[in-house]
Amino acid sequence: DAKTTQPTSMDCAEGRAANLPCNHSTISGNEYVYWYRQIHSQGPQYIIHGLKNNETNEMASLIITEDRKSSTLILPHATLRDTAVYYCIVREGDTGNQFYFGTGTSLTVIP
Amino acid sequence: GAVVSQHPSWVICKSGTSVKIECRSLDFQATTMFWYRQFPKQSLMLMATSNEGSKATYEQGVEKDKFLINHASLTLSTLTVTSAHPEDSSFYICSAIQRGSEQFFGPGTRLTVL
Repeated sequence: DAKTTQPTSMDCAEGRAANLPCNHSTISGNEYVYWYRQIHSQGPQYIIHGLKNNETNEMASLIITEDRKSSTLILPHATLRDTAVYYCIVREGDTGNQFYFGTGTSLTVIP
Repeated sequence: GAVVSQHPSWVICKSGTSVKIECRSLDFQATTMFWYRQFPKQSLMLMATSNEGSKATYEQGVEKDKFLINHASLTLSTLTVTSAHPEDSSFYICSAIQRGSEQFFGPGTRLTVL
């Protein structure tokens, strides 16, 4: 079962930062936080992942709270192409364990 | 990132027939592959985990005799939907993983059973 909860939907103005929250209050010490997104009728696309430190790559930033019970994915300058469903998933990092997807957040970027 | 392909991208079949979907990791060897299904406006549901050379592990509620999975090599896994019925119509997605890495997902296969 999914171990995360996310808001069902969010809107963001084009060019502004999109901040997508995720609660994972039962996360264990060896579980990573992964973020994927799915554009309509396509396979999910990897965005970023982290264990306890904040992470940044060319797509997004991931902020994980000190107690690791929640995190926020930040898209710094949202574009219309960022409209998608964003999934936050927790998983053990290096054992190839399964991903259990929650309901995700449907992000709509508005012109 | 690594590339995972699926074939076919869409298929329409008659009720009672079997359909095979292929999942390939194109530029890496996948220690494990996963199969998901997704109904309209719903999230991805994990169906099974497939390790090369061994039997697949199915999630609770997924019929292993209906959804046959073969993982014959480190780059290929197949899902066969046997005796398909309209309720099996769905979007089937595979993913592949190298040990210690993130999952890479295929583009999905849209199955429509008439």
